[in-house]
Amino acid sequence: DAGITQSPRHKVTETGTPVTLRCHQTENHRYMYWYRQDPGHGLRLIHYSYGVKDTDKGEVSDGYSVSRSKTEDFLLTLESATSSQTSVYFCAISPGTSGRSDIQYFGAGTRLSVL
Amino acid sequence: DQQVKQNSPSLSVQEGRISILNCDYTNSMFDYFLWYKKYPAEGPTFLISISSIKDKNEDGRFTVFLNKSAKHLSLHIVPSQPGDSAVYFCAASGSNDYKLSFGAGTTVTVRA
Repeated sequence: DAGITQSPRHKVTETGTPVTLRCHQTENHRYMYWYRQDPGHGLRLIHYSYGVKDTDKGEVSDGYSVSRSKTEDFLLTLESATSSQTSVYFCAISPGTSGRSDIQYFGAGTRLSVL
Repeated sequence: DQQVKQNSPSLSVQEGRISILNCDYTNSMFDYFLWYKKYPAEGPTFLISISSIKDKNEDGRFTVFLNKSAKHLSLHIVPSQPGDSAVYFCAASGSNDYKLSFGAGTTVTVRA
């Protein structure tokens, strides 16, 4: 299994509070991604990173920010959580050595409930 | 607008029979396609992929077929086993694109 750790695995928070989810990898892969999974929508890309301090938006980036200060860590922050951000969040990593999207390897997910 | 569509939310199949999962895409720039499998409370795991230069790729019980003219791919599982009960996601990407577009998923239930 790819060395990907997501923390926390479960979190319950209140509307309006900030939340940070962490993804840690031990594979030294260049690309890291944050997705959310919702019924009927599959996996939707929130943000991704192609190197330290290099990030870009995905299709559902509103209300989310990310940071990558080290190769191994990619943080997803909800500045002011809303109930619509209740979801399961997955981190994924990819080597990025082939010049295009490689197979992405996923973490176990974080289940976030915003009350 | 979803560029990768899995129009069957669920599929029920008897153990030992064939499971056929379908996926359609709209972006003609997509040239690499993947299938992922996901169990409850776990992350998706890579199953099989196919490049647009091929029309078929096999790996054990799993075969993916690609019909570029129809913008359609399918995953065949033969024979289906109880451990195959999971959600299956189709994904696609284009050249020079480091992102994947995913379908909504198909839940497969294999009946004993």
